[in-house]
Order: sequence, then structure tokens, then C-alpha cells
Amino acid sequence: KQEVTQIPAALSVPEGENLVLNCSFTDSAIYNLQWFRQDPGKGLTSLLLIQSSQREQTSGRLNASLDKSSGRSTLYIAASQPGDSATYLCASVYTGGFKTIFGAGTRLFVKA
Amino acid sequence: DVKVTQSSRYLVKRTGEKVFLECVQDMDHENMFWYRQDPGLGLRLIYFSYDVKMKEKGDIPEGYSVSREKKERFSLILESASTNQTSMYLCASSTRRNTGELFFGEGSRLTVL
Repeated sequence: KQEVTQIPAALSVPEGENLVLNCSFTDSAIYNLQWFRQDPGKGLTSLLLIQSSQREQTSGRLNASLDKSSGRSTLYIAASQPGDSATYLCASVYTGGFKTIFGAGTRLFVKA
Repeated sequence: DVKVTQSSRYLVKRTGEKVFLECVQDMDHENMFWYRQDPGLGLRLIYFSYDVKMKEKGDIPEGYSVSREKKERFSLILESASTNQTSMYLCASSTRRNTGELFFGEGSRLTVL
């Protein structure tokens, strides 16, 4: 059974700290892996997408890596800010984008 | 920027009512999806469509139907709403070309009384 697991479920850090969110997946035959941000009561916003042939992607203070052999992806957030407080979800996509498996998310709180 | 628009952010309906949730995307995407999101259960796929007039059941299709008459529009229909369908409903779209990146709408919070 294909599963995506995110650890930790919740994280609280002081402002300015660098942090890593973890995502593991059970099936290495992924098409791509995508990280999302979700604010309370809102939809999911795409942050980064890593194709199966890529190792990492960067956008501003965010860097996502992908290691298919170990079934892991990490989202690195540099110099965290209170505005980064949200739930972060990862999702692995299979077979041309029809089947997406979502993790349960990591709820991040950045204290000012 | 890709935009996925859900017609209603908040709805309150009564048990037994017919409910329509509309979703429109402006990026000519082939694939469109309807999910529901509930605390502790995460995102669950209700239906998806990979082409006009095509539809496929997801993991929890019971009590729902969909319509895709035009490429940009994907509607979710609750024929007879029940209280256990109170949830956040999320529409998404993606293209089969290039990256297959998934884009979501803002969500529709449905309460069934």
C-alpha cells in the first residue's frame, strides 16, 4: 500500500531558526513529489515540485530535496518567520498525475 | 499564474437538499479532481476527470456525482446532502504534460444541518 508519512506532526520554533520538515513515501516509483502550504480554512498552495529525475528544488528561503532510493523528501526553511506558520503537506504523485498520495501534514508555528 | 476558482467559499444546506459545488480552472488542464478534507482523515479523493465528459471514481465516491461538460469546469453534486457530508471540499487541476503539478482552489466549506 502506498503511504506518505510526515514527521513531526507539529513543530514550534522561535523566529529566525532554520528548520527541516520530513516526508517519507513507500513506493519509489513516483512521478513527482510536491510540497504544499495550507493556512487555516484555506486551500493548498503549491510551494515546490520535484520531478522524479531531480534531486532538489529551491524557491527563496525554501529548499526541497528528494531521495528516491531511501523514500525520503525534506523541506528546508531558512530563517523562519511568523508568516511561515501554517500546515505543510507533501504529496507523491504516480502514473501521470492521476493518483496522488498526501501526507497528513506538519503543523508549524513560528514564534515571534 | 494558474487559477483554480471554487464558486462558493461557505455554504450551509439542509439534509436532503441537492448541492452543487463548482470549480473552474483557467490553465487548459486536462485533469481535474475533487477532494474532501476532514480533521484526522486528511485529504480523500472523491472523483477525478482526465478529459471532458470523462469521470473516474476516487476513494470515497458514495453520495456524490460529478459533471464535466467543458474542459475548464468540473462540478461536484451531492444529490441528497447528509450531515456526514459536512466538510471542506477542495478542487484541484493538473496537466498531463510537463511536470503534472497539482493546483488547488481556495476550498468550499459545506455545513449540512
